[in-house]
Amino acid sequence: QVQLQESGPGLVKPSETLSLTCTVSGGSISSYYWSWIRQPPGKGLEWIGYIYSSGSTNYNPSLKSRVTISVDTSKNQFSLKLTSVTAADTAVYYCASDRFGEGAWGQGTLVTVSS
Amino acid sequence: QSVLTQPPSASGTPGQRVTISCSGSSSNIGTNPVNWYQQLPGTAPKFLISSNSQRPSGVPDRFSGSKSGASASLAISGLQSEDEADYYCAAWDDSLNGLYVFGTGTKVTVL
Repeated sequence: QVQLQESGPGLVKPSETLSLTCTVSGGSISSYYWSWIRQPPGKGLEWIGYIYSSGSTNYNPSLKSRVTISVDTSKNQFSLKLTSVTAADTAVYYCASDRFGEGAWGQGTLVTVSS
Repeated sequence: QSVLTQPPSASGTPGQRVTISCSGSSSNIGTNPVNWYQQLPGTAPKFLISSNSQRPSGVPDRFSGSKSGASASLAISGLQSEDEADYYCAAWDDSLNGLYVFGTGTKVTVL
């Protein structure tokens, strides 16, 4: 059974870049879609985007200018970069399998944007 | 940003049937299939219903989904205490340069 685990800094300063990695275990990252979804504290879910193992991507238009999702098949990992962060980007960030989290999810990691 | 509207809360006693609505528009639910997610307290969401009414393997058959026009519904029959959670609908929206939108979420309380 596929398991996902997010990792990365829990605190990011305003205007800097948020970087998270999702490690996939129990299965190969190849030939599948992988996604990022976030949830501000006490609020609802927001789809960030997805990547196919070949590298093709699809992003939330409202975040597209700041988001990059990449994949490293040699490490069975995929990553999220979000540039120029503000307090509004404070959220629990989830990685998930399939385009919209139809499969396994990571436990989530809280990223706080604060100086 | 959410364009899918859900009631903030719903409740029922054990064994009852609870229904959650999800209202959208012609560019999302009216055109594309609806998915549902369950988020138990303090945990990551879990995919519950796909393509309006399909239950993934392992999801109890007391959960059912339906769609009519630009609205969808999730029904929980035989409500159990472990069903107390937040529930989100979601669908692709064709009008927003391609965006997967989640509903506002409904908190289900088992009385």
